[in-house]
Amino acid sequence: DAGVTQSPTHLIKTRGQHVTLRCSPISGHKSVSWYQQVLGQGPQFIFQYYEKEERGRGNFPDRFSARQFPNYSSELNVNALLLGDSALYLCASSLVEGLYYEQYFGPGTRLTVT
Amino acid sequence: KNQVEQSPQSLIILEGKNCTLQCNYTVSPFSNLRWYKQDTGRGPVSLTIMTFSENTKSNGRYTATLDADTKQSSLHITASQLSDSASYICVVSLSGAGSYQLTFGKGTKLSVIP
Repeated sequence: DAGVTQSPTHLIKTRGQHVTLRCSPISGHKSVSWYQQVLGQGPQFIFQYYEKEERGRGNFPDRFSARQFPNYSSELNVNALLLGDSALYLCASSLVEGLYYEQYFGPGTRLTVT
Repeated sequence: KNQVEQSPQSLIILEGKNCTLQCNYTVSPFSNLRWYKQDTGRGPVSLTIMTFSENTKSNGRYTATLDADTKQSSLHITASQLSDSASYICVVSLSGAGSYQLTFGKGTKLSVIP
């Protein structure tokens, strides 16, 4: 069974541009979360979606947005890119939302903003 | 502010030796605590997950302990192998209606040398 997949694996963008990152959860998983991991730091929570609804949002500016599709895949959009947006963006999926659930992470998308 | 602090920041050990990594947290209300292993440039992989009522949990050569009263956890690695070289991240789940965020520590970078 395939794990969480993310695309693209690497991306180079220029300041001010827009980027869309994609995530496909494990088959049957209905919850997707997005994290930003800056080099040398732990991941920071950005969004969680469950059944196509936003269930949680971290402390990120409005330039960051996301959505979940009927097939439970998800997109993370970042507008007006800044140099500080350079990071590994991780997607994680889980079967359901709840207090005791396992999250499975994808390999991440490495975004470099120049 | 909810925080997860890990120590040491980095650690070098000889192959075959044991080691213990520490995690202190201030996250409240607390749901569960997880330890993840993250290889460089890859997504985190779950090692253990414990609720506040669990004191210890093992996964092969990895044993995690939790003291919910002192808000401390440790991850003990037995008979280390070269493949154990990675970052080990302590993650605490925040409980609360409609929000299932994970708060990540910065990780301990473990290097196992021959």
